[in-house]
Amino acid sequence: EIVLTQSPGTLSLSPGERATLSCRASQSVSSSYLAWYQQRPGQAPRLLIYAASSRATGVPDRFSGSGSGTDFTLTISRLEPEDFAVYYCQQYGNSPRTFGQGTKVEIK
Amino acid sequence: VQLVESGGGLVQPGGSLRLSCAASGVTFSNYGMNWVRQAPGKGLEWVSTISGSGGSTYNADSVEGRFTISRDNSKNTLYLQMNSLRADDTAVYYCAIIIRGSYGSGGGLFEYWGQGTLVTVSS
Repeated sequence: EIVLTQSPGTLSLSPGERATLSCRASQSVSSSYLAWYQQRPGQAPRLLIYAASSRATGVPDRFSGSGSGTDFTLTISRLEPEDFAVYYCQQYGNSPRTFGQGTKVEIK
Repeated sequence: VQLVESGGGLVQPGGSLRLSCAASGVTFSNYGMNWVRQAPGKGLEWVSTISGSGGSTYNADSVEGRFTISRDNSKNTLYLQMNSLRADDTAVYYCAIIIRGSYGSGGGLFEYWGQGTLVTVSS
């Protein structure tokens, strides 16, 4: 089973700042099948990024994903108030598919 | 795509509950469907996956033998029958659909999610 480790656990930033979230896999993720989900407080998760760098429908271009192999990054170029949330990475290229433990982006 | 869960509630340990997820805006029978849960204050945990035809199912070890995923494609509805419930099954249960890519143990790419239904197991 691939273990995904997200860092940091909590990121404290101000609106307008840049956020960089990391997701590290215990072994190489097949075909860069790495996704990122956003979960706002009290809401369901929402798919942001799939295949490491492709934005899902309707996702603003301030969100970008990068990486391959075992190291992946989600970048939010300029934080908007609605971006303060928890972000999960998931690998869906190897069985069993697995989630990371999440990174909380909070207002500083 | 819209997914609407129902059926959550308070149940005693050892009891049973059946969750439903009604889908619209999609050709339901074409896609794998899933249940993913989230215990209070915790992360996301995959529970079960079922293929479009219903012929293949996958379950997390934590629910194997207690939970059964099924679907009725004529009603565009997904189900989760939960038996022998335990306190650690307390969670919000989300249904999610896999539109693209393969799926199996652990699910797949969860492209759309429902709003969730809360299951509380307590005496």
